[in-house]
Amino acid sequence: DAKTTQPPSMDCAEGRAANLPCNHSTISGNEYVYWYRQIHSQGPQYIIHGLKNNETNEMASLIITEDRKSSTLILPHATLRDTAVYYCIVTRGGYNKLIFGAGTRLAVHP
Amino acid sequence: GAVVSQHPSRVICKSGTSVKIECRSLDFQATTMFWYRQFPKQSLMLMATSNEGSKATYEQGVEKDKFLINHASLTLSTLTVTSAHPEDSSFYICSGLGSGTDTQYFGPGTRLTVL
Repeated sequence: DAKTTQPPSMDCAEGRAANLPCNHSTISGNEYVYWYRQIHSQGPQYIIHGLKNNETNEMASLIITEDRKSSTLILPHATLRDTAVYYCIVTRGGYNKLIFGAGTRLAVHP
Repeated sequence: GAVVSQHPSRVICKSGTSVKIECRSLDFQATTMFWYRQFPKQSLMLMATSNEGSKATYEQGVEKDKFLINHASLTLSTLTVTSAHPEDSSFYICSGLGSGTDTQYFGPGTRLTVL
């Protein structure tokens, strides 16, 4: 599975959009981009995933560049409860294992 | 989204004893379940992959005789830490993958402390 690169930490003001970048320059054509987050002392929570097209759900939006070498997770109106470690993972999905990197520690402040 | 539960959420045991952790998929049938562990201030590390009705596949460096995994039904997998030692103290997390889906859903985790 392709490796990903994320900034170790980011800050965001409550109510503002949080834009979390991820680089995955070695992604293969059949690999998806998955985003999970882990709030302290809890199991990871699935957020969103995509292959080529941009995706949106009730939690977030995922913007994937045309060359698929990078993506951005957007939390449109961050709240204090969005403070967590966010993991960008590239995988073929399904039975294929998830390789967790260090992720981005997002701190949302008042 | 799909819901996965774990029991117990927290366990403290004495060195040398065995501990069993249960992972259940509550609203879907998990043909495949994964077991991870996470040490303090580190990321999740995959330990093993189990498919219902067959033997688990362990990651390199994970002792299969120490971490016994059973996936006897489509909604239940168990991880037994045998002869636990203080270095086995960790946060153990399972995930389930439903038939026909691409996404793993995680349980809330079990914190094991071995004294």
